[in-house]
Amino acid sequence: GAVVSQHPSWVICKSGTSVKIECRSLDFQATTMFWYRQFPKQSLMLMATSNEGSKATYEQGVEKDKFLINHASLTLSTLTVTSAHPEDSSFYICSARDWLAGEIVGETQYFGPGTRLLVL
Amino acid sequence: KQEVTQIPAALSVPEGENLVLNCSFTDSAIYNLQWFRQDPGKGLTSLLLIQSSQREQTSGRLNASLDKSSGRSTLYIAASQPGDSATYLCAVAGGGSRLTFGEGTQLTVNP
Repeated sequence: GAVVSQHPSWVICKSGTSVKIECRSLDFQATTMFWYRQFPKQSLMLMATSNEGSKATYEQGVEKDKFLINHASLTLSTLTVTSAHPEDSSFYICSARDWLAGEIVGETQYFGPGTRLLVL
Repeated sequence: KQEVTQIPAALSVPEGENLVLNCSFTDSAIYNLQWFRQDPGKGLTSLLLIQSSQREQTSGRLNASLDKSSGRSTLYIAASQPGDSATYLCAVAGGGSRLTFGEGTQLTVNP
């Protein structure tokens, strides 16, 4: 089945530093990937839609200058949390849709295992 | 704006019981509805996907139904097992494949 990986799985950083999280589709191509954030005891909230070769689309209330998204290839999207602060501590999850021969294959989004970010 | 609500927030049952998890959504203009499972500190595992034109889907001991007109879905788990303990999330897909998630039902199945 389709597999999505994330790296790192855990990151602890000091306030003010930038953190990059990678999302990879391992055995399929994904022109579109999604980035979600999940705070403790809460559900997933969509942050942005990452499109290969073009700018990401951000949800209302998400600062695009703070959460930089780069979708450089059909199998890789990165989320960079710039100048991270303690309130950015959260569980970040990406997902991807399968894309084959110019058509989206199915409706299912495949989710990565998540990255837990702790900003001290 | 789509809103998804899941009831109950938490559920604890003895092993072997059949149980029902509920999901409701405010905007019936959806493409599909998915049920996911999330283990503590982990990502999501897709359990069932129901297209907007479908009424139900089944996979093993799981059965999900969809009543789009009333904005409701249920996930039925038969003969629950301790390994079913997890948080179950309902998500509806709107335009652009954007998923809106409910807050989940935390299920504990006691041996």
